Amino acid sequence: DTEVTQTPKHLVMGMTNKKSLKCEQHMGHRAMYWYKQKAKKPPELMFVYSYEKLSINESVPSRFSPECPNSSLLNLHLHALQPEDSALYLCASSREGHLNYGYTFGSGTRLTVV
Amino acid sequence: GESVGLHLPTLSVQEGDNSIINCAYSNSASDYFIWYKQESGKGPQFIIDIRSNMDKRQGQRVTVLLNKTVKHLSLQIAATQPGDSAVYFCAEIGGAAGNKLTFGGGTRVLVKP
Repeated sequence: DTEVTQTPKHLVMGMTNKKSLKCEQHMGHRAMYWYKQKAKKPPELMFVYSYEKLSINESVPSRFSPECPNSSLLNLHLHALQPEDSALYLCASSREGHLNYGYTFGSGTRLTVV
Repeated sequence: GESVGLHLPTLSVQEGDNSIINCAYSNSASDYFIWYKQESGKGPQFIIDIRSNMDKRQGQRVTVLLNKTVKHLSLQIAATQPGDSAVYFCAEIGGAAGNKLTFGGGTRVLVKP
């Protein structure tokens, strides 16, 4: 299995809703990432998990809450989002520490906040 | 190239011609560079990478050139095909940021039949 799987592919949520994005990989990668991508812009790093511990938080608002239950799973919990949070949310993984950094990206969750 | 406002730089190329996509990076301490291809509705897909101790690397139909003096990276695609139509991003890792992958602005490639 050489894929990063993200669910759902599309999500529409209201500003008072609570939802979660899920990401899964079975490549034995020990680093996992959340990126946010607005239209016509490059992906921007949000969070990095290394060996299931949060190692980087790029000053992301607390309405985004990441969680790494085990080495294969990464979640992003969403609460009280704003319309400007609408974007493509990408998950990636890599074999941290290996000379070939080899990031693998999922296809993303297209989030619309209404 | 860097994205400006809401518009991505666009490269239109005739099918069969060669394409050259350019990228300027900012972190002189970066030691690893990657080119990604992103098709509509998909995540970035790895194309080719290069380490800072190299100035050229070739793959299948693609070549990456690195000029550390002017902090410039380019991607050359030989015999461009319709399936090459996508947005291309350069990315860098290394230096003080460790293995934090940072993307540069994208370039849209449109292949004309």
